[in-house]
Amino acid sequence: NAGVTQTPKFQVLKTGQSMTLQCAQDMNHNSMYWYRQDPGMGLRLIYYSASEGTTDKGEVPNGYNVSRLNKREFSLRLESAAPSQTSVYFCASNTDSSNQPQHFGDGTRLSIL
Amino acid sequence: GNSVTQMEGPVTLSEEAFLTINCTYTATGYPSLFWYVQYPGEGLQLLLKATKADDKGSNKGFEATYRKETTSFHLEKGSVQVSDSAVYFCALSPNASGGSYIPTFGRGTSLIVHP
Repeated sequence: NAGVTQTPKFQVLKTGQSMTLQCAQDMNHNSMYWYRQDPGMGLRLIYYSASEGTTDKGEVPNGYNVSRLNKREFSLRLESAAPSQTSVYFCASNTDSSNQPQHFGDGTRLSIL
Repeated sequence: GNSVTQMEGPVTLSEEAFLTINCTYTATGYPSLFWYVQYPGEGLQLLLKATKADDKGSNKGFEATYRKETTSFHLEKGSVQVSDSAVYFCALSPNASGGSYIPTFGRGTSLIVHP
């Protein structure tokens, strides 16, 4: 049981380049999330998806797009990377219940030069 | 809106010392409360949870009690080990019917335990 799998683990981009961060979960969860983690800022929600085919903005959506490809997969795309998007990105998933925890991937460490 | 406030770190302790990390929250209704731990280079993982008032969550020697009257969920451990060095996040999940249960996280508290 792999849980939540993120790829790649590390990436270096140049300003203006684009890339897609991949996330897949094998727990049959309806809800999936993308966060970024920056020093002193905790976790900030970028986008989330309550179910296949739906996506909603979180706290910091600007500069990002997402796709909920199917129930398992939720990708995050940077169309034109900026240095301010240098961060660690985490994908998470959970069931539709307030008393269940989120399950996190190990993160993607992204540097934009 | 909902919010979670944690004590700022880093918290630096010697091995076998007593640990408290304070967490208070603001939310409507009766949220579920969680503590997550993040080891270097890894994602967050659930440490313990409590889903109603006066519940005590516990795991690996850590405990936290859901205090509705003080809106708190402080994390405690009687004797810390070097291996407990990590970042700890307090979080709440709203008790809402329908839609996505989007959690609110605190900013995290770094714990450093010296031998």
